[in-house]
Formats: sequence, C-alpha cells, structure tokens
Amino acid sequence: DIQMTQSPSSLSASVGDRVTISCRASQDIRNELAWYQQKPGNAPKRLIYTASTLQSGVPSRFGGSGSGTEFTLTISSLQPEDFGTYYCLQHKNYPLTFGGGTKVEIK
Amino acid sequence: QVQLQQWGTGLLKPSETLSLTCTVFGGSLADHYWNWIRQPPGKGLEWIGETSYIGRASYSPSLKSRVAISVDTSKNQFSLKLNSVTAADTAAYFCARRGQFDFWSFDYWGQGTLVSVSS
Repeated sequence: DIQMTQSPSSLSASVGDRVTISCRASQDIRNELAWYQQKPGNAPKRLIYTASTLQSGVPSRFGGSGSGTEFTLTISSLQPEDFGTYYCLQHKNYPLTFGGGTKVEIK
Repeated sequence: QVQLQQWGTGLLKPSETLSLTCTVFGGSLADHYWNWIRQPPGKGLEWIGETSYIGRASYSPSLKSRVAISVDTSKNQFSLKLNSVTAADTAAYFCARRGQFDFWSFDYWGQGTLVSVSS
C-alpha cells in the first residue's frame, strides 16, 4: 500500500495568514493526488485534482503543487470559512489511500 | 447536476451484515467507478472499494474478505455489503464517484450514513 503522511496534524492561524499543508507519499505517485476539505457533519469536497488543478468554483486562494512524493496545499490568505479538516488522496495505485488529515482552526 | 443519495440500516448488532445503497441522479453509471469510503467517529477517511458500471470490483485488502460492492444499472444504483460487523466498523459511510473524465479522484459524494454497531 502507498502510505500518505500529512503534516501538520493540526494548525491554528489568523485570518489573512498564509497556510501550508504537506503530504508525502511513500512512493512515486506522479501527479495522481487530490486535496479535499471536510467540514463537520459533511462529506469531503474536492479542492484540487491532479496535484495542482483548481476545482471549478473553488476560490483562487487555494493552490496545490508538487509531484512524485512531495505535495503541498497552500491557502494564500486564510478566511473564516476555511476552517475544517483537509485530506490528501492518492489514486495512482490500489488501494486508494488518504492522508491522516490536517485540522485547520481560525484563531 | 449529479447527485448521489444513499440510505441503509444505521444500527447493527455484532456479526450482522451492513447493507447500504447509493442512487445516482442526474447522470449515468457508465464511464465511472462507484466507490464506498468510511470514516470512524473523529478519525480519518478509509477507502473500502469500488465497482465499475459493468460490475468489475476492487476492494481494500483489509476488508476484502468481508465486503461486496455491486451495481444495478436498471435502477442507476450501487450497493455495499459488509458482513460479520464488529464495533470497529462503526463509522460514517460515504458513496462517491470517480472516473477518467473527472481526473480519477472523487468528485461527487453522497451525504453519508452513520452506521453504529453495538450489542
């Protein structure tokens, strides 16, 4: 199985801050990675696919980068509605695997 | 607009079989893979498995011996069965779609069903 290691597991930041979340794959997954945001009680929502492509309708303050084994989700200017837990997903190999999640809180 | 609507039994006893169904509205089952994902309370996401619209299924190795995912194209729905459940299977279960035209990650999700296993 491909292990996806996310860091940090949680963070607290102020409105307007730049936030960076990392995801490391245990082997090369090229660009076969997506990022999701999940709010309590809801299904996850796709933000980024193929590592760096912004999902239609998602604010441009969200950005993804990386390839191979190292990936980053960046929120350029944190907004109050960005609270929640963020997950990376690799879909290069079976079984599909998620990172452990990063909980984002607004100070 | 594609919508996935799921339903099933929310309370089970140990050793019983979990059964959930997801109906696809606003789209066809063709050309996509139909998935089940679960999330224990307060924990992360775990992929359970998927089926194609012709019934070709792939499963997580950790659940493979207990799980079956099937598709019913006449009703535009797909189903999950997980047998011999224990308390460790208590989780929110989500159905989700992925496919070539969606860049292979999950783009549409069901609303989730909380399944509790307790004696």
